[in-house]
Amino acid sequence: KAGVTQTPRYLIKTRGQQVTLSCSPISGHRSVSWYQQTPGQGLQFLFEYFSETQRNKGNFPGRFSGRQFSNSRSEMNVSTLELGDSALYLCASSRQNIAEEETQYFGPGTRLLVL
Amino acid sequence: ILNVEQSPQSLHVQEGDSTNFTCSFPSSNFYALHWYRWETAKSPEALFVMTLNGDEKKKGRISATLNTKEGYSYLYIKGSQPEDSATYLCAFAYGQNFVFGPGTRLSVLP
Repeated sequence: KAGVTQTPRYLIKTRGQQVTLSCSPISGHRSVSWYQQTPGQGLQFLFEYFSETQRNKGNFPGRFSGRQFSNSRSEMNVSTLELGDSALYLCASSRQNIAEEETQYFGPGTRLLVL
Repeated sequence: ILNVEQSPQSLHVQEGDSTNFTCSFPSSNFYALHWYRWETAKSPEALFVMTLNGDEKKKGRISATLNTKEGYSYLYIKGSQPEDSATYLCAFAYGQNFVFGPGTRLSVLP
């Protein structure tokens, strides 16, 4: 079956703009999690959506938000972009949430550059 | 903010050697411990998810153990191969958060 897909794969924005990233999970998966990877901070958890509800949240400011649709597709929005938001953004899907004994499958990521 | 530690930070072994890494996490409020392998230019690949104290899981030449009472997990690779070269990450699920360790970078030399 098809894997996790993310769009766009690459994105260049300027400071102050906002951006929306999209993630389509594996069919049948109800959980979508978002992660940020930067050289200085490593891989950090942003949030998890399960059946259209935010179930878990990492330590990121309110400029980072997300939502999940009834077909489990998820979007992540970052408003008022800062230079430090330049990163690889990964999403992952699984059948159950991350606190369960359930394998997560990662997408290829969206690389965001903020100028 | 809870801390997840991994050791060693990096490791170079010869092909055929067996090796192991450690992931340390807070022992309170534990939900699950995940292990991932992340090869350069690829997406992280899930290896194991463990929830029960004393759990042991195996996938081919790779195995992992979990001790939730003392807050550590070991990942073992038997007979390392060059294709095992990657960064190995653990992540700790607690409460509503999910915290990654910094990873152990493994290089297997042919």
